[in-house]
Amino acid sequence: QVQLQESGPGLVKPSETLSLKCNVSGASMTGNYWSWIRQPPGKGLEWIGYILYNGKNNYNPSLGGRVTMSVDPSKSQFSLKVNSVTAADTAVYFCVKGAGVTRDWGQGTLVSVSS
Amino acid sequence: DIQMTQSPSTLSASVGDRVVISCRASQSLNVWLAWYQQKPGKAPKLLISQASGLESGVPSRFSGSGSGTEFTLTIGSLQPDDFATYYCQQYSSYPWTFGQGTKVE
Repeated sequence: QVQLQESGPGLVKPSETLSLKCNVSGASMTGNYWSWIRQPPGKGLEWIGYILYNGKNNYNPSLGGRVTMSVDPSKSQFSLKVNSVTAADTAVYFCVKGAGVTRDWGQGTLVSVSS
Repeated sequence: DIQMTQSPSTLSASVGDRVVISCRASQSLNVWLAWYQQKPGKAPKLLISQASGLESGVPSRFSGSGSGTEFTLTIGSLQPDDFATYYCQQYSSYPWTFGQGTKVE
């Protein structure tokens, strides 16, 4: 059974960098795509981007080039950084196995952007 | 980006009702469309992929249909566990995009 668990600060100041990690168990990092999706409070879902085990990635242009993802197969972990955050980046952030259709999701972690 | 529009935004229904949710894409998706169910405070759960392919373990009262730009999710007989928000999502063209959601209440 695949399990994903997000971790990271729940509060980030405006203009700073949001950093999250996702720990993966029950699945090999190799050969899989890994994604981040976010959901502002009370709103819909937005695909942030994905990264392959070998580092190949694709980010949603809607985030204006502020996104960086990385993967560490040796730690069964992948990461998300969003720089220059504003209040509009306040959301529940989900880490997800796969790209396109996604069957395995983390529980999500709320990140608030506020001074 | 492909725009996904769901209707209605909110749907009031009772146990036993047949429920139909529509999803329209701004350009053709072929059949590259998925449906998810989300309950408050939880991650979305995949119900249907490739427009009509029911995921393992999902009750057969859920069905999907459509191709191109018009899709529907049907719940044959609404059960108490089905009150939730439903999202369609296209994975035909990156960036993948979601509909705004339909809340079944």
